[in-house]
Amino acid sequence: DGGITQSPKYLFRKEGQNVTLSCEQNLNHDAMYWYRQDPGQGLRLIYYSQIVNDFQKGDIAEGYSVSREKKESFPLTVTSAQKNPTAFYLCASSHPTENYGYTFGSGTRLTVV
Amino acid sequence: AQKVTQAQTEISVVEKEDVTLDCVYETRDTTYYLFWYKQPPSGELVFLIRRNSFDEQNEISGRYSWNFQKSTSSFNFTITASQVVDSAVYFCALSEDWGNKLVFGAGTILRVKS
Repeated sequence: DGGITQSPKYLFRKEGQNVTLSCEQNLNHDAMYWYRQDPGQGLRLIYYSQIVNDFQKGDIAEGYSVSREKKESFPLTVTSAQKNPTAFYLCASSHPTENYGYTFGSGTRLTVV
Repeated sequence: AQKVTQAQTEISVVEKEDVTLDCVYETRDTTYYLFWYKQPPSGELVFLIRRNSFDEQNEISGRYSWNFQKSTSSFNFTITASQVVDSAVYFCALSEDWGNKLVFGAGTILRVKS
């Protein structure tokens, strides 16, 4: 079945360490996105990519980095510069002709210890 | 700039009650897309509906119905005869074009008690 795979489901990071969250899709979607969700808040866009080797900052890009070397993959690195990285991270992809528009992964819960 | 407002932070109802979740949006584009998603405790986002700006027909899907009114920039969601399984966080979202960012409201927590 086609879909988006995010791994790991839970991730613990020590302060000062970088960590990379994986996002892979086999839907042949061109656009991919990373969102952050904090308790009691909506989803905020970190980065998005409309095509391979290109990406744009979202509303809260500081302290994060991404790459888009392959259509299927859009990994997110949470750097030590991110002051409050503990959150739930959701990856998504989209295709213009699909009625539901955006497909989401099951998320990665990152905790700084 | 795009903005989505879900003014209801949390709603509690008793099973079998009807409940309406409000969504108000702002956009300068004439073409845009509106969405509703359900987020159960497991965390994944479950797609419920997409509505294009040029299609103002209301839609019903089982116990779910949506009322889209461009005149008031609202896209409200009603659950008829609510069930405990409807308990979740519900998000309204707006996109001005595919490949562009999907902007979310803050979400409404719905608690359905038996």
